[in-house]
Amino acid sequence: QQQVKQSPQSLIVQKGGISIINCAYENTAFDYFPWYQQFPGKGPALLIAIRPDVSEKKEGRFTISFNKSAKQFSLHIMDSQPGDSATYFCAASSGGNFNKFYFGSGTKLNVKP
Amino acid sequence: SQTIHQWPATLVQPVGSPLSLECTVEGTSNPNLYWYRQAAGRGLQLLFYSVGIGQISSEVPQNLSASRPQDRQFILSSKKLLLSDSGFYLCAWRSYGNGELFFGEGSRLTVL
Repeated sequence: QQQVKQSPQSLIVQKGGISIINCAYENTAFDYFPWYQQFPGKGPALLIAIRPDVSEKKEGRFTISFNKSAKQFSLHIMDSQPGDSATYFCAASSGGNFNKFYFGSGTKLNVKP
Repeated sequence: SQTIHQWPATLVQPVGSPLSLECTVEGTSNPNLYWYRQAAGRGLQLLFYSVGIGQISSEVPQNLSASRPQDRQFILSSKKLLLSDSGFYLCAWRSYGNGELFFGEGSRLTVL
């Protein structure tokens, strides 16, 4: 059973455009939702994260929108740049001594110049 | 600041040979440690996690094992590699009480 579903699988955006990646989850116990950026041959790097007590978090050109009632969250990349071309993973975890992280299947973003 | 190291970065091994991948974390104590595997173009599969020395939990039955001989050291092993063990192996750590999960640079294993 896939705990976190991510879409689309791949995305092509023109430079300057908005990239939007969506994730949905089922487990209402999840209380931490990070996004990771991964370049080829590298480990994923934490990009931005949100907790369910807020509906939006913005860091520079990256924004997470969170809809608790719909159990969905999304990553918006404003003014997308070729350097943003990477694979993006959403994840979810719940509290406790050990936080298991459940990852989405990834979205490969290609920003065309 | 905290850092995480993985080695080797690249490994090519014949089927049936043993495997040892090592991961160490610096700048923190008593971290939670994780091993993930990423198949080509695929997502992240949790293999093992550890909340302390000698404490290993396995997520997926497989040809691999993990050990944590020291607080900040996590080792992934196999006695006999299979072709299906090929992939990109990622070590990760998380501080107790903090939600942030940090990954190492990964070890690419090719089994021939």
